[in-house]
Amino acid sequence: GAGVSQSPSNKVTEKGKDVELRCDPISGHTALYWYRQSLGQGLEFLIYFQGNSAPDKSGLPSDRFSAERTGGSVSTLTIQRTQQEDSAVYLCASSLDRGSPPEAFFGQGTRLTVV
Amino acid sequence: KQEVTQIPAALSVPEGENLVLNCSFTDSAIYNLQWFRQDPGKGLTSLLLIQSSQREQTSGRLNASLDKSSGRSTLYIAASQPGDSATYLCAVEYGNKLVFGAGTILRVKS
Repeated sequence: GAGVSQSPSNKVTEKGKDVELRCDPISGHTALYWYRQSLGQGLEFLIYFQGNSAPDKSGLPSDRFSAERTGGSVSTLTIQRTQQEDSAVYLCASSLDRGSPPEAFFGQGTRLTVV
Repeated sequence: KQEVTQIPAALSVPEGENLVLNCSFTDSAIYNLQWFRQDPGKGLTSLLLIQSSQREQTSGRLNASLDKSSGRSTLYIAASQPGDSATYLCAVEYGNKLVFGAGTILRVKS
């Protein structure tokens, strides 16, 4: 497809388990972002990848959270030892380099529920 | 601290009204500003992007303006329709990230 694709769309996991969330950005987009939207809250920045540069991890809430981007394309957000407060919708976005109008396009999100 | 505030938090209007959603930001050193729409249980749909050198952008019934010096943006929706009902989010790009406002929940009654 032409848009940002995220999988799974829904994930229910037990407290203490690890989860992996996947994001396929729009082809050719060099920038990739992960955001978290908790119930009734705004969007919280987690991490940003731009080309081959070191990622900006300043938004990751704890060391249980990590993300990687392989080959400058697909990204995986991993949450280890999940806690109930990790329950949220995790949104991925991609955009072109800043040289072009850097409009960000979002995926449909992964709804994570930790029980 | 880079903060984005949206007013009002919620808005209910009859169909056909013109309306204005407001966004303010504390740090004027922005790259660009983007307005999104989010439907319940869905992701974000980009509506308009205004680069820092621009004053406004238009798309159909939507017009967004940007005043960097005062740290404000407005989204104007003309002739509102029930299908416009959604949450509208303002996001300001600073360096590596978009900073979002909490959104305005819009309901257009038929």
